[in-house]
Amino acid sequence: EAQVTQNPRYLITVTGKKLTVTCSQNMNHEYMSWYRQDPGLGLRQIYYSMNVEVTDKGDVPEGYKVSRKEKRNFPLILESPSPNQTSLYFCASSVTRIGELFFGEGSRLTVL
Amino acid sequence: AQSVTQPDIHITVSEGASLELRCNYSYGATPYLFWYVQSPGQGLQLLLKYFSGDTLVQGIKGFEAEFKRSQSSFNLRKPSVHWSDAAEYFCAVGSTSGTYKYIFGTGTRLKVLA
Repeated sequence: EAQVTQNPRYLITVTGKKLTVTCSQNMNHEYMSWYRQDPGLGLRQIYYSMNVEVTDKGDVPEGYKVSRKEKRNFPLILESPSPNQTSLYFCASSVTRIGELFFGEGSRLTVL
Repeated sequence: AQSVTQPDIHITVSEGASLELRCNYSYGATPYLFWYVQSPGQGLQLLLKYFSGDTLVQGIKGFEAEFKRSQSSFNLRKPSVHWSDAAEYFCAVGSTSGTYKYIFGTGTRLKVLA
């Protein structure tokens, strides 16, 4: 089944404890991106990648890192999480730059 | 600055009634336009998209949207709403400049009354 898989789906952590949210897609998509969803703000793009080893900032990259060492994986790294990073995170991928985004089911992160 | 505005945070309609969800965008050129739907606890699913050509586009689940350049709008419509359409709907703009940047609206939550 074609899908984008995120892990963990739910996580409660404490301020400053590094964490990684993994994202993997099995559709051989070139393009991948991360979003955060907050009430009243919709989805905001954090980082995106147009190919292996090619990443760039979206609209809200502060406090996040990404890497794209393999085509299928695009992990989101929070080096020192803070409470304002409490959010619902989505990973997405697409075949082309302007094609349909395929979303994962989301990762709900709470930072205490 | 590029932006997407969905002026209605919540909309309630009766089952069988028609629906229109509004979307306005601000962009330097004609952007790539999308509507996505998010069911509770789920990721987003594409309903339809507009790149060029016919300004009335058909999507899945009986939805359609009309691009109006003069009004910078891309409103989503459905002639007869079903209870299963209750969800949150997002309008989005994709970059035409060669990047992979997307801007989403803040969403409209649809409630359907039986």
